[in-house]
Amino acid sequence: NAGVTQTPKFRVLKTGQSMTLLCAQDMNHEYMYWYRQDPGMGLRLIHYSVGEGTTAKGEVPDGYNVSRLKKQNFLLGLESAAPSQTSVYFCASSSDGQGNSPLHFGNGTRLTVT
Amino acid sequence: GENVEQHPSTLSVQEGDSAVIKCTYSDSASNYFPWYKQELGKRPQLIIDIRSNVGEKKDQRIAVTLNKTAKHFSLHITETQPEDSAVYFCAASPSSQGGSEKLVFGKGTKLTVNP
Repeated sequence: NAGVTQTPKFRVLKTGQSMTLLCAQDMNHEYMYWYRQDPGMGLRLIHYSVGEGTTAKGEVPDGYNVSRLKKQNFLLGLESAAPSQTSVYFCASSSDGQGNSPLHFGNGTRLTVT
Repeated sequence: GENVEQHPSTLSVQEGDSAVIKCTYSDSASNYFPWYKQELGKRPQLIIDIRSNVGEKKDQRIAVTLNKTAKHFSLHITETQPEDSAVYFCAASPSSQGGSEKLVFGKGTKLTVNP
């Protein structure tokens, strides 16, 4: 099993450009999440999904959109990138809706917006 | 909502010494407390977790203690080794009130183990 795979690993955008980050998991997990990690800020939840076809807002959703058309994939979109969105983005999945299910993280995407 | 405070933000120890990282939480409904380790440039990975019906849990050189009355929990690493150098995140979640979307992370502790 590959676990959770994120693409791309690195990306540089200019202000106003758009992009989509792809997350794929092969563990048949119901729940998927997008976090951003900034220095000294820990991990903050952007959006999450409790199953195919569902999405919901997390702690810092502004400026991002997500889609979960297939159970194994969770896409994070930036429609008009801003320098404040420079960050490392992590996708994660968990097996069920219980809060004590471990999160399985991808390797992260480092995004720089100039 | 839940708020998790983590201290210290950086910790430097000599190889072989013990390291302790402390977290406090605000929501008395929280009952699941995982710890994640993130090595430089890598993904966070779960290393140990504890539930509110347990006061202490050990796994080889690492242990976690929980004091529900005081709303704090701690990670203890004994006989530290250079490979323990990483950023450690604590988290808290009211698992009975929803899924992992309710998990709130601390801001992390950068542990450096000097040979």
